[in-house]
Amino acid sequence: QKEVEQDPGPLSVPEGAIVSLNCTYSNSAFQYFMWYRQYSRKGPELLMYTYSSGNKEDGRFTAQVDKSSKYISLFIRDSQPSDSATYLCAMSDNNAGNMLTFGGGTRLMVKP
Amino acid sequence: GAVVSQHPSRVICKSGTSVKIECRSLDFQATTMFWYRQFPKQSLMLMATSNEGSKATYEQGVEKDKFLINHASLTLSTLTVTSAHPEDSSFYICSARGGWAETQYFGPGTRLLVL
Repeated sequence: QKEVEQDPGPLSVPEGAIVSLNCTYSNSAFQYFMWYRQYSRKGPELLMYTYSSGNKEDGRFTAQVDKSSKYISLFIRDSQPSDSATYLCAMSDNNAGNMLTFGGGTRLMVKP
Repeated sequence: GAVVSQHPSRVICKSGTSVKIECRSLDFQATTMFWYRQFPKQSLMLMATSNEGSKATYEQGVEKDKFLINHASLTLSTLTVTSAHPEDSSFYICSARGGWAETQYFGPGTRLLVL
């Protein structure tokens, strides 16, 4: 079993839909949780950064962390075709800048 | 802020040649940089951790004599693929630790094709 599980998709939604992306993990020591967006043939771009449990909102994006369930989510409201990309969750146990454990990524397609 | 660049973005070379990839943090200093490799439709695979002024730490299975890493300054790390072979063809991505979140910020990647 992988340390971080993420549905590879592809997830196809119509423009304007609310998107829910999720990761589950097994290491209870993880404290720092990040979501990266990666467009094809580009490097990952940091979208959201969360420490411990709770919610964080930034524009159309909301990150949720439930440490008791070892489950994190990224919600995208009013999805746009430009949101079409692969979304990678990443987490770390002691410091967000240290070694990250990545999920396999979910490919999202938003259709106009 | 927290911009990381990589050069070159794409390189095609003949088998047996060496290729150097540069990773720079443009607006912050990074004591730690990371090098990843990514195959199509797969997640990132950490190759090594590069600390300024010291030897890099390589992940299990990564040949340190083949993938030479130098972190000579707080804004520059280089990865040299020595005697490249077709199986080394891949997408190489660096990241630098820093920025407001003190997390990893990634470069745009370098696509290497070895003929």
